[in-house]
Amino acid sequence: GAVVSQHPSWVICKSGTSVKIECRSLDFQATTMFWYRQFPKQSLMLMATSNEGSKATYEQGVEKDKFLINHASLTLSTLTVTSAHPEDSSFYICSATRTPTSTDTQYFGPGTRLTVL
Amino acid sequence: AQSVTQPDIHITVSEGASLELRCNYSYGATPYLFWYVQSPGQGLQLLLKYFSGDTLVQGIKGFEAEFKRSQSSFNLRKPSVHWSDAAEYFCAAIRPRDDKIIFGKGTRLHILP
Repeated sequence: GAVVSQHPSWVICKSGTSVKIECRSLDFQATTMFWYRQFPKQSLMLMATSNEGSKATYEQGVEKDKFLINHASLTLSTLTVTSAHPEDSSFYICSATRTPTSTDTQYFGPGTRLTVL
Repeated sequence: AQSVTQPDIHITVSEGASLELRCNYSYGATPYLFWYVQSPGQGLQLLLKYFSGDTLVQGIKGFEAEFKRSQSSFNLRKPSVHWSDAAEYFCAAIRPRDDKIIFGKGTRLHILP
């Protein structure tokens, strides 16, 4: 099966600093990657969709200047939380698909737990 | 309004017992529907999906789901659960207006020995 990794698995940072989270497709080329945020006891909320070589498309209410997404290659997407604040603490999950087709199977990473002090 | 609803936050069943997890959607048209499982430390894994055709869908790990248009439901079932099935289960649908996947809030499954 297709494998997606995330690094780091958890990170603790001080308020005001920036944090970068990596999402990699290990054994397939991911045309499209998605970034989600999951609050405790809540569902996954889609933050943005990124296609390799293009600017990410952000969901309504997601600050694109705060959550910078880069999808520079077919195997790597990064999410940078800039000037992080405690309210940004959450579980961030990425997923990847081989094609941009909405019904293509999404392969999920294990998630990154961000804690902002 | 929540477009994908999982009415049960927690479900507890005994090992070997049957399982049914409920999912309802509120789209007018029939969306594409999915069930995912999330285990600690692991990414969400697709159990099964329904796009069209036979309304009873077979998935991995012995799971199945039945699409019922009249009830706007896509319930997940398993005839006999194993302790390893303890996890969080998410129902999801592709939202017709923009092809984005929308997840329910999840149901945590607990297994009694």
